[in-house]
Amino acid sequence: DTEVTQTPKHLVMGMTNKKSLKCEQHMGHRAMYWYKQKAKKPPELMFVYSYEKLSINESVPSRFSPECPNSSLLNLHLHALQPEDSALYLCASSQESLSGGTDTQYFGPGTRLTVL
Amino acid sequence: QKEVEQNSGPLSVPEGAIASLNCTYSDRGSQSFFWYRQYSGKSPELIMFIYSNGDKEDGRFTAQLNKASQYVSLLIRDSQPSDSATYLCAVMSDGQNFVFGPGTRLSVLP
Repeated sequence: DTEVTQTPKHLVMGMTNKKSLKCEQHMGHRAMYWYKQKAKKPPELMFVYSYEKLSINESVPSRFSPECPNSSLLNLHLHALQPEDSALYLCASSQESLSGGTDTQYFGPGTRLTVL
Repeated sequence: QKEVEQNSGPLSVPEGAIASLNCTYSDRGSQSFFWYRQYSGKSPELIMFIYSNGDKEDGRFTAQLNKASQYVSLLIRDSQPSDSATYLCAVMSDGQNFVFGPGTRLSVLP
C-alpha cells in the first residue's frame, strides 16, 4: 500500500481566513514533505519533516506554517494568504529523509487551494 | 544552483510508437533519479527510479542512466493514448535536494 491521503480536496479561502491542510500516511514512512505546484510548472519543495522534526524549510513565507503531530500526520496551517498562493498543494512521504536516504517519494492527491 | 532540464515539449508520437523522454542534470553528485507521470489536475505518480548506470526495464518502460554524461532517459514502448501526460524527471543530490525538471508533455495520437 503506497497511499498518502490529503484533505480537503478543494479549499477556497479569503485573505483573512485561517485554514489547515492535512496529510496522512500509514506506510511507516519517516519523512514527509509539502510541495506547492502552480499550473504547468513542476512541484516546488516547501518543507521536509524527518522523524517528526522540520529538516528543510525552503524559505517559505511565514503565512505557511507546517506541523507534524506524529509520524503519520502532517499539517500545513494557512493564514493571511495572498491570491498568488493559489495552487495545488501536494504532500509526499518516503521511508527516510532526504538527508538520510534515497528512497522514493509517494504523493498524495493534493489540495487545490484558491485564495480570493 | 542544481538544475534539471528536460526536452521541451509537447512531444507527439503515434499510437504504438516508442516515446523517448530525456533529462539532464547539473550536479555530478546526484545519486537517485526518478520518473513521475502527472495527468492534468492530478498528483505525480511514480513510474520508475534508477540509481545505477545502465538500463532498468519495467513493462513497457525503460529508464536509462548515464552518470558520466549526466543524462537520464525514459523510453515508453508501444505508446498508448493513456500515456498522454506530463512526465517529470526528479533528481536527488547530496541527500539534501530533490529537484524536479520542468516536465515534458507527451501526446500519443490514436
